[in-house]
Amino acid sequence: NAGVMQNPRHLVRRRGQEARLRCSPMKGHSHVYWYRQLPEEGLKFMVYLQKENIIDESGMPKERFSAEFPKEGPSILRIQQVVRGDSAAYFCASSPGGRAHDEQYFGPGTRLTVT
Amino acid sequence: GQQLNQSPQSMFIQEGEDVSMNCTSSSIFNTWLWYKQDPGEGPVLLIALYKAGELTSNGRLTAQFGITRKDSFLNISASIPSDVGIYFCAGRVTDNFNKFYFGSGTKLNVKP
Repeated sequence: NAGVMQNPRHLVRRRGQEARLRCSPMKGHSHVYWYRQLPEEGLKFMVYLQKENIIDESGMPKERFSAEFPKEGPSILRIQQVVRGDSAAYFCASSPGGRAHDEQYFGPGTRLTVT
Repeated sequence: GQQLNQSPQSMFIQEGEDVSMNCTSSSIFNTWLWYKQDPGEGPVLLIALYKAGELTSNGRLTAQFGITRKDSFLNISASIPSDVGIYFCAGRVTDNFNKFYFGSGTKLNVKP
């Protein structure tokens, strides 16, 4: 069973460009979470999605950031008009959902560098 | 939002020593998870706990779900150099079925 997959692993963008980060959850998982991590810091929750629905986006900046998890295909985290402060590692996690006992499994992350 | 305090922030220990770290929350959790993150990688799930008082082992790792449901600890026995990394706790509250909250991490350094 393949784990959570993220691509690209590294992404370099110039200020003002758009960044698109992709996450394919584990097989059978219908819940996806995105987190951001700065060097030497913890994981900051951004958004929680189920298929075609955003459940909780309380951790996501209101401007320039958006996320989707379509019926078919990976979840996408999109950052428009990137700025230097967006440079970070972005992790996706997935869980089966709908169970009293639930666990999150993480992907390897996408390291975004804004120049 | 939920407050999840993880301590210590960092530890420097000698190979062979035992290690203990813990997390406390301001709310009652129904699930506690412990992860390890190596540099440049995503966090890897080590242990999952679902019941108050539950004590679970995974090799040299042992974790417990506190009976108040507001805390959890992770012990590592006889540490080895490959234990180096950042350890995160995560908890899920009872009134928010699927959202997890993460501690700020404990950075473990092991001297050979």
